[in-house]
Amino acid sequence: ETGVTQTPRHLVMGMTNKKSLKCEQHLGHNAMYWYKQSAKKPLELMFVYNFKEQTENNSVPSRFSPECPNSSHLFLHLHTLQPEDSALYLCASSPPGPAGYEQYFGPGTRLTVT
Amino acid sequence: GQQLNQSPQSMFIQEGEDVSMNCTSSSIFNTWLWYKQEPGEGPVLLIALYKAGELTSNGRLTAQFGITRKDSFLNISASIPSDVGIYFCAGQLWGNNNDMRFGAGTRLTVKP
Repeated sequence: ETGVTQTPRHLVMGMTNKKSLKCEQHLGHNAMYWYKQSAKKPLELMFVYNFKEQTENNSVPSRFSPECPNSSHLFLHLHTLQPEDSALYLCASSPPGPAGYEQYFGPGTRLTVT
Repeated sequence: GQQLNQSPQSMFIQEGEDVSMNCTSSSIFNTWLWYKQEPGEGPVLLIALYKAGELTSNGRLTAQFGITRKDSFLNISASIPSDVGIYFCAGQLWGNNNDMRFGAGTRLTVKP
């Protein structure tokens, strides 16, 4: 139990669908992150939220839309995705203070775009 | 960009052997972290390093923050079958609190 949960664990969607990924952390952390993990490639940072404010957006296409209603919840809204968007999407959180660099990951959502 | 070069890409070892993997970069990092990822799971933090030259252990794992701040290594002693997985290095870029870069991973296979 890592304290970071993600739902759903698996998602298959068509290119015209709209779906959302959910992340919840029970660790009292103040920062939350979305990463994309593709086979044999380094994790790609997508979005960062600190205290509910978005502080990073690494040139992610607009078909990915994040939402952070509070410090414990993070969503990734998906629409009109492409097959190359198929990947494992990981959520992470980190605490305030000196240990703020230590990111704790959820189990991920395996997304397949057909 | 500020890439992390992690090596080796994969390792096949016998149970009981020691393992060493490393990450290098042309950029300076503020923090180095090592993660392990098993199939169907997210990465789990193993060791965090905050000071150049720092050597830290976690059980059979030992990691060091290079003195130049541009590299780090992870050693696993007396490997066991449950060490199987993908090990990732990650570094927080100097001067950027939110930008964590990851290596491509080292896939470890341990033969009983």
